[in-house]
Amino acid sequence: DAKTTQPTSMDCAEGRAANLPCNHSTISGNEYVYWYRQIHSQGPQYIIHGLKNNETNEMASLIITEDRKSSTLILPHATLRDTAVYYCIVRVAGGGADGLTFGKGTHLIIQP
Amino acid sequence: EAQVTQNPRYLITVTGKKLTVTCSQNMNHEYMSWYRQDPGLGLRQIYYSMNVEVTDKGDVPEGYKVSRKEKRNFPLILESPSPNQTSLYFCASSFATGGDTQYFGPGTRLTVL
Repeated sequence: DAKTTQPTSMDCAEGRAANLPCNHSTISGNEYVYWYRQIHSQGPQYIIHGLKNNETNEMASLIITEDRKSSTLILPHATLRDTAVYYCIVRVAGGGADGLTFGKGTHLIIQP
Repeated sequence: EAQVTQNPRYLITVTGKKLTVTCSQNMNHEYMSWYRQDPGLGLRQIYYSMNVEVTDKGDVPEGYKVSRKEKRNFPLILESPSPNQTSLYFCASSFATGGDTQYFGPGTRLTVL
């Protein structure tokens, strides 16, 4: 799986859009970008994933650059409940039985 | 409601006393997995199962056993717990083998004295 780089922490005001960047410069053509988050000591929660097109679901949007070397997760209207550690994971879809590799992630703090 | 459940959520035990942490999913998922999470080490996979009666070791299997007799259940067994197994444990499941959209349970915080 390709290595990812994320900022250690970020702040965002409640009600504003939270934009979380992820660099994955060594991504391969068949690797997807996945985002999970973990609210303090709870089980990780899947957010969204994509290959090369931008994706949107009820939780977030995922913007992947044209060269696929970086991406941004967007939480459009952040709330206090979005305070969590966000993990960007790059992986081949159905990439075998290996467990997901969670790095250190970005600790997003939503400020009231 | 689609979910992964774990029991117990909290457990304090003593060295050597066998214990089982249960995991159950109601989504008819084929793939199930156990992780442990420790400060500074992230989540590490202990064991996984690709289907009933099929289990295999993850990255840190020592000291653990699992079984998969039914599709919905995947218990984690510690035959002789030791203090270094004090950790936060998560069960996860997904539709596909090695599926990437994994659904996680709420976690079990285990303390071994």
